[in-house]
Amino acid sequence: DTAVSQTPKYLVTQMGNDKSIKCEQNLGHDTMYWYKQDSKKFLKIMFSYNNKELIINETVPNRFSPKSPDKAHLNLHINSLELGDSAVYFCASSQAGRIEAFFGQGTRLTVV
Amino acid sequence: GDSVTQMEGPVTLSEEAFLTINCTYTATGYPSLFWYVQYPGEGLQLLLKATKADDKGSNKGFEATYRKETTSFHLEKGSVQVSDSAVYFCALSSNTGNQFYFGTGTSLTVIP
Repeated sequence: DTAVSQTPKYLVTQMGNDKSIKCEQNLGHDTMYWYKQDSKKFLKIMFSYNNKELIINETVPNRFSPKSPDKAHLNLHINSLELGDSAVYFCASSQAGRIEAFFGQGTRLTVV
Repeated sequence: GDSVTQMEGPVTLSEEAFLTINCTYTATGYPSLFWYVQYPGEGLQLLLKATKADDKGSNKGFEATYRKETTSFHLEKGSVQVSDSAVYFCALSSNTGNQFYFGTGTSLTVIP
């Protein structure tokens, strides 16, 4: 039973395309996140949702749009993909009032 | 705002050497502190945690002590193994538990 699962694991696409990455958690957590990890392994938070409401929206191009249909899902939609979007994207979840976050396995996005 | 600063890598050690990876933090209130580990091609896994001053987190031979007076949470292991080769992230979560801040990651390579 995977606690935080993301699909797909690998995504190769051409510039200008629109793509989505899905994330689901079965831990009953109320907060979910998207992080971007660049080639130097630096982790940057992109979005945080608590109970389906956006609570963190860091400086991210508006081509990136998170969607949370329910507390267990936080999907990431990216429009007009650019070469610089190539990275590994991690979904994570946590429960407010508790402490640790649980991460998915990551989605390696390659824009060609 | 809250932040984490950790020692830059990469770090290369021989098997059975002593490991220290420094981590300091800036936070208001009383954050919780973590070390996460990322093995090649995988997502982040929680390695250890500490929730209050003087707590010591430990797991798999790794230890870190929450030092409020020096705002530090240094990771140590007495004898590293090749299998410890990974990227290590220091992190903190805010009082509310729904925001996580990561350091830049430290890549560790252990050679036989």
